Amino acid sequence: DVKVTQSSRYLVKRTGEKVFLECVQDMDHENMFWYRQDPGLGLRLIYFSYDVKMKEKGDIPEGYSVSREKKERFSLILESASTNQTSMYLCASSSIGDLLYGYTFGSGTRLTVV
Amino acid sequence: AQSVSQHNHHVILSEAASLELGCNYSYGGTVNLFWYVQYPGQHLQLLLKYFSGDPLVKGIKGFEAEFIKSKFSFNLRKPSVQWSDTAEYFCAVNARAAGNKLTFGGGTRVLVKP
Repeated sequence: DVKVTQSSRYLVKRTGEKVFLECVQDMDHENMFWYRQDPGLGLRLIYFSYDVKMKEKGDIPEGYSVSREKKERFSLILESASTNQTSMYLCASSSIGDLLYGYTFGSGTRLTVV
Repeated sequence: AQSVSQHNHHVILSEAASLELGCNYSYGGTVNLFWYVQYPGQHLQLLLKYFSGDPLVKGIKGFEAEFIKSKFSFNLRKPSVQWSDTAEYFCAVNARAAGNKLTFGGGTRVLVKP
């Protein structure tokens, strides 16, 4: 069963900490995405990547960075966590040039910053 | 940049009632359209999609959606809901000129009372 795996389901971090959220996919997909999900706001795109070592800013990149050293892994980094980054973070992947099957999503990481 | 609006944030209805969820997008070019569903505690799943052809598309679990280009709309319908349809529903748009990026609406929480 193909899937996208996010390393943590729940995470609690302190303000100012550097936080790493990890995502791994086993479908050999070129595209990977990080979204945050907030009530009433839906999913908002933070960063995405079309290839290894390649990254593009999404709609709300401020306070975040990403790393894609290997095709299957896409990491989201909160350089200095703040309380307004408390949210559900979703990773997704898709094959390049073809949205026929949409995105495959991970189960999400619920991050609380205290 | 494209945006997606879902008219209702919360919908409550009884089993066997009909459901219609509104979705409008703002983008003048060619689009691909999606509806995703997130059941409680689960990851997002693709419900249905429209790429081209017949504007009335059928998805899983008895859902269908109609693309009306002149109204920039892609409304989701189900003639008779079940308690198991309780979930959050997200409309998403891909502007073909934007590669594989999906823009999501704010979501609609649907509660079906048994």
